[in-house]
Amino acid sequence: DVLLEQSGAEMKKPGESLKISCMGSGYDFTDHWIAWVRQMPGKGLEYLGIVYPGDSDTKYSPSFQGQFTLSADKSISTAYLQWSVLKASDTAIYYCARRAYFNDNLGIEYYYDYWGQGTPVTVSS
Amino acid sequence: SSELTQDPAVSVALGQTVRITCQGDRLRHYYANWYQQKPTQAPILVIYAKNNRPSGIPDRFSGSSSGSTASLTITGAQAEDEADYYCQSRDSTGNDVVFGGGTRLTVL
Repeated sequence: DVLLEQSGAEMKKPGESLKISCMGSGYDFTDHWIAWVRQMPGKGLEYLGIVYPGDSDTKYSPSFQGQFTLSADKSISTAYLQWSVLKASDTAIYYCARRAYFNDNLGIEYYYDYWGQGTPVTVSS
Repeated sequence: SSELTQDPAVSVALGQTVRITCQGDRLRHYYANWYQQKPTQAPILVIYAKNNRPSGIPDRFSGSSSGSTASLTITGAQAEDEADYYCQSRDSTGNDVVFGGGTRLTVL
């Protein structure tokens, strides 16, 4: 079975750094891009960006470019989201999700078929 | 504000049919995907590429699209369908991912 297992909850202070992880199993980790999605308290889903574990290629949402770094280590089937300087506004639950695609005569469409359980991140002084 | 617009809340009587809509100009060109999220849980995919159900999703869930509006229909809503539902497609550039603001479904 496909599973995305995320690292545990984090409590940090503003200005600190953090790296959270998402480990995939049950499939070839290099076959699918891994996306990251943020959900601030009481709010909806926001797409942050995506990383390809095969070569660590990344694409960031223009809305969030420069705020964090995505990476992956295919040798251990793990993707990462990291911050060098956390802010209180980074408080949220962060989900990783596997990207799949659907191909018909209209072209290719992407969707997110498996999700991690989420990593709650709290940034507070 | 999101490029995909959803009603914040919808309610349905147990066993009745409910339609949750998602509006956005990009939906004229791209399919919508739908995710269900229950409290304290991660989202799960319920419909992809307009009207395809992943394995394990009940057939009471269906999707459709017309013009700039995509819809998720639940035929014979059950108590366990009470959740937040998010549509997802591409943004105005076609290169980025965007989610709707979400619809909270209450089953009465």
